[in-house]
Amino acid sequence: AQKVTQAQTEISVVEKEDVTLDCVYETRDTTYYLFWYKQPPSGELVFLIRRNSFDEQNEISGRYSWNFQKSTSSFNFTITASQVVDSAVYFCALGGGYQKVTFGTGTKLQVIP
Amino acid sequence: GAGVSQSPSNKVTEKGKDVELRCDPISGHTALYWYRQSLGQGLEFLIYFQGNSAPDKSGLPSDRFSAERTGGSVSTLTIQRTQQEDSAVYLCASSLGGDRPETQYFGPGTRLLVL
Repeated sequence: AQKVTQAQTEISVVEKEDVTLDCVYETRDTTYYLFWYKQPPSGELVFLIRRNSFDEQNEISGRYSWNFQKSTSSFNFTITASQVVDSAVYFCALGGGYQKVTFGTGTKLQVIP
Repeated sequence: GAGVSQSPSNKVTEKGKDVELRCDPISGHTALYWYRQSLGQGLEFLIYFQGNSAPDKSGLPSDRFSAERTGGSVSTLTIQRTQQEDSAVYLCASSLGGDRPETQYFGPGTRLLVL
């Protein structure tokens, strides 16, 4: 069975601080995919990144970066110099050898101006 | 507009009535998903369609819930004899499908309120 744990339920940071959202996963599949989605207050989920299990390179996209560590089964997400517009719920998700994807419970990020 | 669309955006109904929620996936996407999100909660998987294969209904919470996907495109989620606990946002997503997990693209959701 697949499982995704986002232990941080809510995080508050002051604008311009860096923040890391944790994601730990469990799977027996040797090939799997990890995702992050953002759900702003408007409600619509927005895709951020998809990473397969064979690619452990860290990825940076502007102020966003992702750290994939197979050894610890983690796929953490860091926002550098946070902004108020980053306030949202962030979901980590895991997909195995088929299309069904398991989502974590989400981390609510509040960036205080 | 090439995104996933859902209708209605909001639905208020009385307990005991049936409701139908519609999802139009992205053109060319063979996989379609329904999720439920209660206030402040995560995503609860309901059902998944992949091409012409039998749907994965493992997440449907009761036999009051059913879904169809006609012609491999539009999907309808039906809730019969609605209960107050059915109040939630119902999200639809679509993806390219195939033999590995592709990115799911979500619609704006239908907010259902059962009085």
